[in-house]
This record gives sequence, C-alpha cells and structure tokens, in this order.
Amino acid sequence: DVKVTQSSRYLVKRTGEKVFLECVQDMDHENMFWYRQDPGLGLRLIYFSYDVKMKEKGDIPEGYSVSREKKERFSLILESASTNQTSMYLCASSYSGSSYEQYFGPGTRLTVT
Amino acid sequence: GENVEQHPSTLSVQEGDSAVIKCTYSDSASNYFPWYKQELGKGPQLIIDIRSNVGEKKDQRIAVTLNKTAKHFSLHITETQPEDSAVYFCAPDSGGYQKVTFGTGTKLQVIP
Repeated sequence: DVKVTQSSRYLVKRTGEKVFLECVQDMDHENMFWYRQDPGLGLRLIYFSYDVKMKEKGDIPEGYSVSREKKERFSLILESASTNQTSMYLCASSYSGSSYEQYFGPGTRLTVT
Repeated sequence: GENVEQHPSTLSVQEGDSAVIKCTYSDSASNYFPWYKQELGKGPQLIIDIRSNVGEKKDQRIAVTLNKTAKHFSLHITETQPEDSAVYFCAPDSGGYQKVTFGTGTKLQVIP
C-alpha cells in the first residue's frame, strides 16, 4: 500500500514564525503536491513538483515556498506565518503522468495565533 | 485553467436511497475523471475513475457516468449506507504534467 506521511497532525504557531511542513511518500512517486483545504473552498493547490528539485506554482502560492531535495520528501515552508494561513494542509503524491490518481496523507491542521 | 464545479454542495439522503453528485468541467482536453472520498479526519482517497473512451463504470454500489460532449460526469451511489457519509471531490485531469483542479466538494450525509 502507498503510504504518505505528514510530520504533524496538529500544529500551533505564532504569527511571524517560520513553519516547516514535511511530507514523505514510500512508493517512489515522481509527483508530489501540497494543498490547503478550507470550508467551502475545497482543495486548492499551493505547489507541486514532478521531479527532484523541480517545483511549479499552483493556484495559491503566495506566502509559501517548497523544497524537494529527495524524491520521497516534499516540504512546504511558510516563511512568516500569518493568521490567514490557518488551515488544513494536505500532501499528496502520484506517478508521473497520473496526476488523476493521487495518494493523500492524513493532513496537518495548522493554527496560527 | 480548468474550471470545475460540483453540485450539490451538501446532500442528505435516507439510508438505502440513492445519491448523485455532478461535476462539470471546462477543459475539453480532460481525459481522466476520478472521484475521491474524504472521511472525517483523513485525506481524500480515490474511489473510482473513468477514462474518456468509456461512458460508464460500475464498482459494486458506486458508478460514474461521463458525458464528454456536455463536459460533465457524475458519481452515483446506490443503497446508501451510513459509512458513505463523507465529502466527495471530483478532479478531472488531462494527463501529462498539468496540475489537477479539484471540485469544491460535496458533503454527503446518510441518515440511518
């Protein structure tokens, strides 16, 4: 079974802090994705990566950056957390050319106070 | 980019009844039409998908139908059970290195 793990289920940070969200997949997938999920807005793509050291902006990249130094790991970085970044963050992975078949982690509920 | 709409946003049905969720999309290049189910406290999970050369696909109590001309596809759940209660997302995809746009989700509640 594909497993996607995220470093934390719940996280509380203060405004202005630098926040790292880590995601690891164990199926040698080429593609990895970061989404945020907010009520009524569904899943919105922040960034995705289709190869090591490659990254592409999604629909809402502002205020975020990503890092993919190894194939299995994709990190989301909030350089200076703000209260409007309080949300559920979901990581996903898929094989190359199969973005329709994504495997999701359990999510990280981030609260910025 | 792809414009994806899902209807309804919430749906309540009695146990045993059927539920239908519709997804409309704008990109005529879309070739893959998946549905995801997200249970409380979990990430979404792919439950069924259909390719553009097929009009309908069934898997036990769930089915997906596609109308490529009208650019919409639907999820059908028959004989609903309480464990079907979840949020459902569609995510039409054209394949390749394009990003996938998810619908805004449908919260299904099955009343015992």
